Amino acid sequence: DGGITQSPKYLFRKEGQNVTLSCEQNLNHDAMYWYRQDPGQGLRLIYYSQIVNDFQKGDIAEGYSVSREKKESFPLTVTSAQKNPTAFYLCASGSYGQQNQPQHFGDGTRLSIL
Amino acid sequence: AQTVTQSQPEMSVQEAETVTLSCTYDTSESDYYLFWYKQPPSRQMILVIRQEAYKQQNATENRFSVNFQKAAKSFSLKISDSQLGDAAMYFCAYGAQGGSEKLVFGKGTKLTVNP
Repeated sequence: DGGITQSPKYLFRKEGQNVTLSCEQNLNHDAMYWYRQDPGQGLRLIYYSQIVNDFQKGDIAEGYSVSREKKESFPLTVTSAQKNPTAFYLCASGSYGQQNQPQHFGDGTRLSIL
Repeated sequence: AQTVTQSQPEMSVQEAETVTLSCTYDTSESDYYLFWYKQPPSRQMILVIRQEAYKQQNATENRFSVNFQKAAKSFSLKISDSQLGDAAMYFCAYGAQGGSEKLVFGKGTKLTVNP
Protein backbone atom coordinates (compact mmCIF):
# COMPACT_ATOMS: atom_id res chain seq x y z
CA ASP A 1 0.00 0.00 0.00
CA GLY A 2 1.13 3.56 -0.66
CA GLY A 3 2.10 5.66 2.30
CA ILE A 4 4.74 7.36 4.36
CA THR A 5 7.09 5.44 6.62
CA GLN A 6 8.90 7.11 9.48
CA SER A 7 11.57 5.39 11.50
CA PRO A 8 12.40 4.83 14.22
CA LYS A 9 9.21 5.18 16.23
CA TYR A 10 11.21 6.16 19.33
CA LEU A 11 14.66 7.72 19.43
CA PHE A 12 16.93 8.83 22.23
CA ARG A 13 19.68 11.39 21.93
CA LYS A 14 22.68 11.92 24.13
CA GLU A 15 24.14 15.34 24.80
CA GLY A 16 26.25 16.58 21.88
CA GLN A 17 25.00 13.90 19.54
CA ASN A 18 23.43 14.28 16.11
CA VAL A 19 20.55 11.96 15.30
CA THR A 20 18.76 11.35 12.01
CA LEU A 21 15.06 10.65 11.56
CA SER A 22 14.06 8.75 8.45
CA CYS A 23 11.08 9.52 6.21
CA GLU A 24 10.28 7.53 3.08
CA GLN A 25 7.22 7.83 0.82
CA ASN A 26 6.00 5.74 -2.10
CA LEU A 27 3.19 8.04 -3.12
CA ASN A 28 5.20 9.67 -5.92
CA HIS A 29 4.70 13.02 -4.23
CA ASP A 30 6.97 15.90 -5.18
CA ALA A 31 6.79 17.80 -1.89
CA MET A 32 7.84 16.60 1.54
CA TYR A 33 7.67 18.31 4.93
CA TRP A 34 8.94 17.99 8.48
CA TYR A 35 6.85 19.25 11.38
CA ARG A 36 7.56 19.38 15.08
CA GLN A 37 4.80 18.92 17.68
CA ASP A 38 5.17 19.94 21.32
CA PRO A 39 2.55 19.43 24.05
CA GLY A 40 -0.18 22.05 23.81
CA GLN A 41 1.12 23.22 20.48
CA GLY A 42 0.05 22.64 16.95
CA LEU A 43 2.46 21.43 14.34
CA ARG A 44 5.27 23.79 13.39
CA LEU A 45 7.14 23.55 10.12
CA ILE A 46 10.85 22.76 10.32
CA TYR A 47 11.88 22.25 6.67
CA TYR A 48 10.19 21.47 3.40
CA SER A 49 11.22 20.36 -0.05
CA GLN A 50 9.33 20.85 -3.29
CA ILE A 51 11.71 18.97 -5.59
CA VAL A 52 14.78 16.78 -5.38
CA ASN A 53 17.99 18.55 -4.36
CA ASP A 54 16.10 21.60 -3.14
CA PHE A 55 14.66 22.50 0.26
CA GLN A 56 13.63 25.56 2.26
CA LYS A 57 13.63 26.50 5.92
CA GLY A 58 10.37 26.55 7.76
CA ASP A 59 9.52 28.51 10.89
CA ILE A 60 11.83 26.65 13.31
CA ALA A 61 14.79 25.40 11.23
CA GLU A 62 17.56 26.30 13.68
CA GLY A 63 19.37 23.22 14.95
CA TYR A 64 18.04 20.99 12.18
CA SER A 65 19.29 19.95 8.75
CA VAL A 66 17.79 17.98 5.86
CA SER A 67 18.68 16.51 2.50
CA ARG A 68 16.60 15.52 -0.51
CA GLU A 69 18.75 13.34 -2.74
CA LYS A 70 15.85 11.14 -3.82
CA LYS A 71 12.21 11.91 -4.45
CA GLU A 72 11.16 9.20 -2.01
CA SER A 73 13.34 10.21 0.92
CA PHE A 74 13.62 13.29 3.15
CA PRO A 75 15.72 12.58 6.25
CA LEU A 76 15.88 15.07 9.12
CA THR A 77 19.01 15.46 11.25
CA VAL A 78 18.62 16.91 14.71
CA THR A 79 21.99 18.43 15.48
CA SER A 80 23.64 19.15 18.82
CA ALA A 81 22.82 22.81 18.20
CA GLN A 82 19.16 22.04 18.85
CA LYS A 83 19.06 22.54 22.61
CA ASN A 84 15.52 21.38 23.17
CA PRO A 85 14.95 18.48 20.79
CA THR A 86 12.45 16.53 22.87
CA ALA A 87 9.28 16.48 20.76
CA PHE A 88 7.15 14.45 18.39
CA TYR A 89 8.26 14.75 14.77
CA LEU A 90 5.91 14.24 11.85
CA CYS A 91 6.83 13.88 8.20
CA ALA A 92 4.32 14.60 5.46
CA SER A 93 4.19 14.58 1.69
CA GLY A 94 1.99 16.25 -0.90
CA SER A 95 1.47 16.71 -4.60
CA TYR A 96 3.04 20.05 -5.35
CA GLY A 97 0.72 22.16 -7.47
CA GLN A 98 -2.22 19.81 -7.08
CA GLN A 99 -4.36 21.67 -4.62
CA ASN A 100 -6.96 18.96 -4.37
CA GLN A 101 -4.45 16.57 -2.86
CA PRO A 102 -4.08 17.08 0.89
CA GLN A 103 -0.92 16.21 2.71
CA HIS A 104 -0.39 12.65 3.90
CA PHE A 105 1.35 12.13 7.22
CA GLY A 106 3.59 9.42 8.62
CA ASP A 107 3.07 7.92 12.07
CA GLY A 108 5.75 10.08 13.67
CA THR A 109 8.97 9.71 15.67
CA ARG A 110 9.20 10.57 19.35
CA LEU A 111 12.62 11.97 20.23
CA SER A 112 13.80 12.19 23.82
CA ILE A 113 16.98 13.29 25.55
CA LEU A 114 18.96 10.74 27.54
CA ALA B 1 2.24 35.69 7.69
CA GLN B 2 -0.80 33.53 8.00
CA THR B 3 -2.02 32.54 11.45
CA VAL B 4 -4.61 30.05 12.66
CA THR B 5 -6.35 30.38 16.01
CA GLN B 6 -8.33 27.74 17.86
CA SER B 7 -9.83 29.42 20.91
CA GLN B 8 -11.12 26.28 22.61
CA PRO B 9 -8.29 24.22 24.16
CA GLU B 10 -10.77 21.59 25.31
CA MET B 11 -14.35 20.64 24.51
CA SER B 12 -16.62 17.83 25.64
CA VAL B 13 -19.79 16.33 24.19
CA GLN B 14 -22.21 13.59 25.10
CA GLU B 15 -22.32 10.59 22.85
CA ALA B 16 -24.88 11.07 20.03
CA GLU B 17 -24.95 14.83 20.54
CA THR B 18 -23.56 17.57 18.27
CA VAL B 19 -20.48 19.67 18.94
CA THR B 20 -18.88 22.59 17.09
CA LEU B 21 -15.18 23.38 17.16
CA SER B 22 -14.09 26.91 16.32
CA CYS B 23 -11.26 28.12 14.11
CA THR B 24 -10.34 31.56 12.84
CA TYR B 25 -7.48 32.46 10.56
CA ASP B 26 -5.75 35.48 9.17
CA THR B 27 -4.58 35.85 5.60
CA SER B 28 -4.40 38.47 2.88
CA GLU B 29 -4.80 35.86 0.14
CA SER B 30 -8.07 35.30 -1.69
CA ASP B 31 -7.44 31.70 -2.74
CA TYR B 32 -6.44 29.12 -0.18
CA TYR B 33 -7.45 25.84 1.41
CA LEU B 34 -8.58 25.03 4.93
CA PHE B 35 -8.40 21.67 6.64
CA TRP B 36 -9.47 19.91 9.80
CA TYR B 37 -7.18 17.10 10.95
CA LYS B 38 -7.90 14.62 13.72
CA GLN B 39 -5.13 13.25 15.92
CA PRO B 40 -6.23 10.33 18.14
CA PRO B 41 -4.03 9.02 20.97
CA SER B 42 -2.10 6.98 18.40
CA ARG B 43 -0.75 10.37 17.19
CA GLN B 44 -1.67 9.69 13.55
CA MET B 45 -2.79 12.79 11.66
CA ILE B 46 -6.02 11.97 9.85
CA LEU B 47 -7.66 14.35 7.41
CA VAL B 48 -11.27 14.93 8.42
CA ILE B 49 -12.43 17.51 5.90
CA ARG B 50 -11.14 20.23 3.59
CA GLN B 51 -12.58 23.38 2.10
CA GLU B 52 -11.48 25.36 -0.94
CA ALA B 53 -11.84 29.09 -0.32
CA TYR B 54 -13.27 29.76 -3.77
CA LYS B 55 -16.19 27.41 -3.09
CA GLN B 56 -19.13 28.99 -1.31
CA GLN B 57 -20.71 25.66 -0.49
CA ASN B 58 -19.70 24.25 2.87
CA ALA B 59 -17.90 20.91 2.74
CA THR B 60 -19.45 17.84 4.34
CA GLU B 61 -18.12 14.34 5.00
CA ASN B 62 -20.71 12.07 6.57
CA ARG B 63 -21.16 13.29 10.19
CA PHE B 64 -18.62 16.09 9.75
CA SER B 65 -19.45 19.46 8.21
CA VAL B 66 -17.95 22.92 8.23
CA ASN B 67 -19.31 26.43 8.47
CA PHE B 68 -16.99 28.47 6.27
CA GLN B 69 -17.40 32.23 6.59
CA LYS B 70 -14.81 33.74 4.26
CA ALA B 71 -15.45 37.38 5.10
CA ALA B 72 -15.20 36.66 8.80
CA LYS B 73 -12.23 34.30 8.25
CA SER B 74 -13.96 31.63 10.27
CA PHE B 75 -13.92 27.88 9.68
CA SER B 76 -15.78 25.85 12.31
CA LEU B 77 -16.21 22.07 12.37
CA LYS B 78 -19.50 20.49 13.34
CA ILE B 79 -19.58 16.87 14.43
CA SER B 80 -23.05 15.35 14.48
CA ASP B 81 -24.10 12.17 16.31
CA SER B 82 -20.80 12.13 18.20
CA GLN B 83 -19.21 8.74 18.75
CA LEU B 84 -16.66 7.57 21.29
CA GLY B 85 -14.17 7.16 18.46
CA ASP B 86 -14.38 10.88 17.74
CA ALA B 87 -12.41 11.63 20.90
CA ALA B 88 -9.12 13.16 19.77
CA MET B 89 -7.17 16.36 19.24
CA TYR B 90 -8.56 18.35 16.33
CA PHE B 91 -6.34 20.73 14.40
CA CYS B 92 -7.43 23.42 12.01
CA ALA B 93 -4.91 24.15 9.23
CA TYR B 94 -4.43 26.69 6.44
CA GLY B 95 -2.78 25.97 3.12
CA ALA B 96 -1.83 28.64 0.58
CA GLN B 97 -2.89 28.55 -3.04
CA GLY B 98 0.00 27.45 -5.21
CA GLY B 99 3.48 27.81 -3.76
CA SER B 100 4.75 25.07 -1.53
CA GLU B 101 1.44 24.03 0.05
CA LYS B 102 3.00 24.08 3.49
CA LEU B 103 0.37 24.09 6.20
CA VAL B 104 -0.07 26.48 9.10
CA PHE B 105 -1.74 24.80 12.08
CA GLY B 106 -3.73 26.01 15.05
CA LYS B 107 -2.83 24.76 18.52
CA GLY B 108 -5.63 22.25 18.58
CA THR B 109 -8.80 21.43 20.51
CA LYS B 110 -8.99 18.33 22.66
CA LEU B 111 -12.40 16.73 22.24
CA THR B 112 -13.75 14.37 24.90
CA VAL B 113 -16.81 12.25 24.17
CA ASN B 114 -18.76 11.17 27.24
CA PRO B 115 -20.79 7.93 27.13
